[in-house]
Amino acid sequence: AQKITQTQPGMFVQEKEAVTLDCTYDTSDPSYGLFWYKQPSSGEMIFLIYQGSYDQQNATEGRYSLNFQKARKSANLVISASQLGDSAMYFCAMREAQGGSEKLVFGKGMKLTVNP
Amino acid sequence: DAGVIQSPRHEVTEMGQEVTLRCKPISGHDYLFWYRQTMMRGLELLIYFNNNVPIDDSGMPEDRFSAKMPNASFSTLKIQPSEPRDSAVYFCASSSHREAKNIQYFGAGTRLSVL
Repeated sequence: AQKITQTQPGMFVQEKEAVTLDCTYDTSDPSYGLFWYKQPSSGEMIFLIYQGSYDQQNATEGRYSLNFQKARKSANLVISASQLGDSAMYFCAMREAQGGSEKLVFGKGMKLTVNP
Repeated sequence: DAGVIQSPRHEVTEMGQEVTLRCKPISGHDYLFWYRQTMMRGLELLIYFNNNVPIDDSGMPEDRFSAKMPNASFSTLKIQPSEPRDSAVYFCASSSHREAKNIQYFGAGTRLSVL
């Protein structure tokens, strides 16, 4: 079974609108971390936001917030007030604490296009 | 503060040649990771080090791949001999256990083309 599932291959949004990028995960480990990365066309991987499985509140970083629904095993990224520079690939990733591994498992990613 | 530095940014080589990718992690970070990104397989971990010691190399595809970390500020990923199917973007990332979240910060990547 896939550990991280990103089912939206691509999304289009108008500039200044909010957009939600979906991510579901599969783990039996009670302790884990969830990450979102952005990969613009230039190719680098940019860390956006982190959510720990025991965090009581949803993570927020500027225009990015994470809609964490533990029971549903979903960790959707919300981008408020989209900007043209938000056009990129977005990857959800998970790190399971079991065994002390630092390994990140990534989803397939999804492409966001922000239109003017 | 400088981020993770990878070199070269682009590498074009012929099948059978040896390829060496280099990485300088963020100063003070004690974890270093090598990832490979392809259209077919996405982003996958090849190997990671903690305090210069390889911890998990289960993602290394085969014996043609080897990685070393001779000191805290330098790592190499070597492919010998290279094959066309090794064409991919190779990322290096580093992190620190002193940060609660232990976030992995990525380099710009090396785009490898094996002809």
